[in-house]
Amino acid sequence: GQQLNQSPQSMFIQEGEDVSMNCTSSSIFNTWLWYKQDPGEGPVLLIALYKAGELTSNGRLTAQFGITRKDSFLNISASIPSDVGIYFCAGQLGGGADGLTFGKGTHLIIQP
Amino acid sequence: EPEVTQTPSHQVTQMGQEVILRCVPISNHLYFYWYRQILGQKVEFLVSFYNNEISEKSEIFDDQFSVERPDGSNFTLKIRSTKLEDSAMYFCASRMANEQFFGPGTRLTVL
Repeated sequence: GQQLNQSPQSMFIQEGEDVSMNCTSSSIFNTWLWYKQDPGEGPVLLIALYKAGELTSNGRLTAQFGITRKDSFLNISASIPSDVGIYFCAGQLGGGADGLTFGKGTHLIIQP
Repeated sequence: EPEVTQTPSHQVTQMGQEVILRCVPISNHLYFYWYRQILGQKVEFLVSFYNNEISEKSEIFDDQFSVERPDGSNFTLKIRSTKLEDSAMYFCASRMANEQFFGPGTRLTVL
């Protein structure tokens, strides 16, 4: 099946720093999504991307859909303590009822 | 803001027992999904459901699993005879347009 390679696996940063994480795939996805998961909770959608090359922002978050449709990145600017959590990229191949393929997650830890 | 709800939040069962996990998707959504997440691992797709039938299922979704939408609001996942390796968080998701929204999950522990 399709696999997403997400990196880095974990990040230890200082509050106020910018964060960057990315996902790559050997196959094309038509939709890329970024989710955040807090411990014991379900993934919460942060940003959805639908077109190759698309750059979308949501507050301090910015994500881009790679031009080849095989990659995406997520940037967080000026990190704050509540940004702590696990960030997952997810790709959807087609429309319809296709399930999402998730990356393994980036665990963000912020040191005060 | 409408959200996906799931019950129970925790379920402990003995190996070989049947369990039913329940979900109430967002009311005007048309596509419904189940995913699972083994502790410390990524979220894995199990099955999608549309127009009262299964649309797609993964290799994980074998004959032990079944889904049902018994009425206009609930969406259930049944595991017929649980195994130790079924222990995981199970997430329901629903979708109207392009974005899937996830519930808080049910933590299933099989002893």
